[in-house]
Amino acid sequence: DVKVTQSSRYLVKRTGEKVFLECVQDMDHENMFWYRQDPGLGLRLIYFSYDVKMKEKGDIPEGYSVSREKKERFSLILESASTNQTSMYLCASSLFAGRETQYFGPGTRLLVL
Amino acid sequence: AQSVSQHNHHVILSEAASLELGCNYSYGGTVNLFWYVQYPGQHLQLLLKYFSGDPLVKGIKGFEAEFIKSKFSFNLRKPSVQWSDTAEYFCAVKPLGAAGNKLTFGGGTRVLVKP
Repeated sequence: DVKVTQSSRYLVKRTGEKVFLECVQDMDHENMFWYRQDPGLGLRLIYFSYDVKMKEKGDIPEGYSVSREKKERFSLILESASTNQTSMYLCASSLFAGRETQYFGPGTRLLVL
Repeated sequence: AQSVSQHNHHVILSEAASLELGCNYSYGGTVNLFWYVQYPGQHLQLLLKYFSGDPLVKGIKGFEAEFIKSKFSFNLRKPSVQWSDTAEYFCAVKPLGAAGNKLTFGGGTRVLVKP
């Protein structure tokens, strides 16, 4: 079974703090993704990575950065957290080939005060 | 940019009723299509997918979806729902050739099945 884990289920941070969200997958997948999930908006892609040290902007990258130093780990960084970044953050991974299913982690619910 | 529309944000129905959730997308080329489901407190997981061939696709737990190319639609159906089908359902589209296996998701439909 593919397993995608995220470092925290719940996180509370203050405005202006630097926030790190970690994601690890154990299936040697090339692709990894960070989404945010908001009611009525579905999932929106923040960043994705198709290889170590490679990253591509998704649809809403502003205010976020990412890091992929190892194949199994993909980090999302909020350089200076703001209240409008309060959301559920989902990590996913997939094999490189175009038809492959994305597998999701349990999510991190972030509250920025 | 492509978009995915799910027409109903909330659906409430009784057990044994039939369910149909609409999904339309705006991309004009060849696409791969997916339905994902998120049960309360659980991970998002794949319900079914369409790549090519028979436009009627069967997935897990008795769900099926029909791809109608002329209508840019991929509606999800289940003839008789159970209380355990209470969940949020997401349609997703991946245009062929999209870099990095990128998916575009619809806004989701919350389904509540009353016992």
